[in-house]
Formats: sequence, C-alpha cells, structure tokens
Amino acid sequence: GAVVSQHPSRVICKSGTSVKIECRSLDFQATTMFWYRQFPKKSLMLMATSNEGSKATYEQGVEKDKFLINHASLTLSTLTVTSAHPEDSSFYICSAGLAGIYEQYFGPGTRLTVT
Amino acid sequence: SQQGEEDPQALSIQEGENATMNCSYKTSINNLQWYRQNSGRGLVHLILIRSNEREKHSGRLRVTLDTSKKSSSLLITASRAADTASYFCATVRVLDTGRRALTFGSGTRLQVQP
Repeated sequence: GAVVSQHPSRVICKSGTSVKIECRSLDFQATTMFWYRQFPKKSLMLMATSNEGSKATYEQGVEKDKFLINHASLTLSTLTVTSAHPEDSSFYICSAGLAGIYEQYFGPGTRLTVT
Repeated sequence: SQQGEEDPQALSIQEGENATMNCSYKTSINNLQWYRQNSGRGLVHLILIRSNEREKHSGRLRVTLDTSKKSSSLLITASRAADTASYFCATVRVLDTGRRALTFGSGTRLQVQP
C-alpha cells in the first residue's frame, strides 16, 4: 500500500512553454502532498505544500506564479511550471503521507528538461 | 537551508563490506528517518528511529541516534551491489500551517563494487 505515482516521468519542453506534472496517491487519500526539487547529486529542497481544497503554501524563495499547484482532489495534486526556462530544468518529486504517520511516500519523480 | 549534513558525501566499498553513513542535525526532533534513492528515482523509506530510542535494526540496516550530539548513523552490513544508491537522513519540521514536512540531509552516495 501507500503508492504514489507521477506523470510524466520525463518531459522535454521549449523555453516559454508550460509543463504540468501530476502526482497521484493510488491507494490512499492525501489531504497534503509535498513538492520537492532536486538538482543533480544534491538533496531535495521543499518547494511547496499542496493542500486539498485550499491554496498551496510555498517555501521562501519559490515563486508561486511560476510554480502553480492545484490539489483538486484527495488523490491528485498538479504542479505546473509556467513559462519554463532552462534554469527550471531539474528533477521534481512529490510525496504524501498517511494521517498520523511520520514517514512519507514518494513518487518516482519527473525529469524536466527545458531547451 | 538543509537541516542535516551527512558524511561522507560519497562512499565506495567492495561487496561484503560494511558501509557507515553519518548525519547531523540542528534542532530538536521527535524522530529521524533514513531514505534511499536509486539514481533518477523517488525516495524509499528505510527506517525511522524515535528520539527516545538509541538503536534500531531492520534486516541488514542498523541505525543509531545520539540526541545529545544531534547525530545519527546508518550502518549497512554485508553490502551488496544492489545497495548502490544515495542515502538521506530526514527530520520532521512543523510548517506555519501546522503541517509536517521533511527536511533532508545532503545525502551520501554509496557505490558498492561487485
């Protein structure tokens, strides 16, 4: 149990376009999901917390107009990278947890390359 | 900024040897977790140790926690080539919203040579 999926696993887009990444909890409901960004050989940096039915909360330094998050249901959160630039190229990972449980379940990640 | 710092940053050993990774953190914790990440993949939870525990075992994994030194170690015994991955420690922090999020250490990249 506690499986999280992400789609797509890999995407290449041109500068100026927008890209949507989906994060789904497959066998449990998640009122909260988290979006992380990871640069090569680096650790995960929390970008934002996605809250079902309400606005996402963003970490300091993360542009909310650039990284749009929508948590429309208890099993789906989406991250849209708007007007993508090459510096947005990165590995994006989402996670979710079960109520009352400290550990997180991670999606397999999405490799975004902006050309 | 990252809560935890890990050392070594990279570790290369032969199959069968033990691998030890260390993690230090800065704030008070309720628990500390270790995760594994295969290259280009998501993270997998390995083990959680509570602040009132000093040592915990799970298969070939042994985790220690020293809250006085704010440090933890992960020992993988009798390593296998399949253990090659990055290993991260993580602590829980409470956000302004009251939600709990993970803060990750810098990670140790383990390479096990067959």
